[in-house]
Amino acid sequence: GENVEQHPSTLSVQEGDSAVIKCTYSDSASNYFPWYKQELGKGPQLIIDIRSNVGEKKDQRIAVTLNKTAKHFSLHITETQPEDSAVYFCAAGITGGFKTIFGAGTRLFVKA
Amino acid sequence: DSGVTQTPKHLITATGQRVTLRCSPRSGDLSVYWYQQSLDQGLQFLIQYYNGEERAKGNILERFSAQQFPDLHSELNLSSLELGDSALYFCASSASSSSTDTQYFGPGTRLTVL
Repeated sequence: GENVEQHPSTLSVQEGDSAVIKCTYSDSASNYFPWYKQELGKGPQLIIDIRSNVGEKKDQRIAVTLNKTAKHFSLHITETQPEDSAVYFCAAGITGGFKTIFGAGTRLFVKA
Repeated sequence: DSGVTQTPKHLITATGQRVTLRCSPRSGDLSVYWYQQSLDQGLQFLIQYYNGEERAKGNILERFSAQQFPDLHSELNLSSLELGDSALYFCASSASSSSTDTQYFGPGTRLTVL
């Protein structure tokens, strides 16, 4: 069945550095790729998403890139700040499908 | 604030008991999803309802059941509780039943089984 692998499981960076989280999906029909941020004690919140008709999308310090040929997509956070510390989940969805498949999550630590 | 509400925020109960978790979706959303998140674990999809009907099922135990009511709120019933059921339970909602719709998550219910 559909599977989404996410790496790394833990990432520690210095404040101001960039962070990159990578996900690989198995179903080539997947065409929607959201990223969620979960802060401690809260529910996941959508931070950015990309659809298969674009290769890159940016929103201030956050960007997502998509490589449909290789079936992987990545989250890039530039100029990291302590408040970026959280768990990040990638996910994949398919038009006409019902189940969004989530990656296992990446715990990001930004050291001040 | 996502617009999704969940009650209660915390629930402490004993093994063998039964509890009900409640979720109200964002205004206008017809789909409700339930997820379980154990300590330091990912999001385990349990079940999805769309406009009152079950649409997709994940790794939901037979001891667990859910329903979506005509006013679109949903309840997750957990029975014969075991220690391993202790977790955060999240509800999410989306406009349609498609997995390409953004899901908006509630703040969660933390269940502790003693």
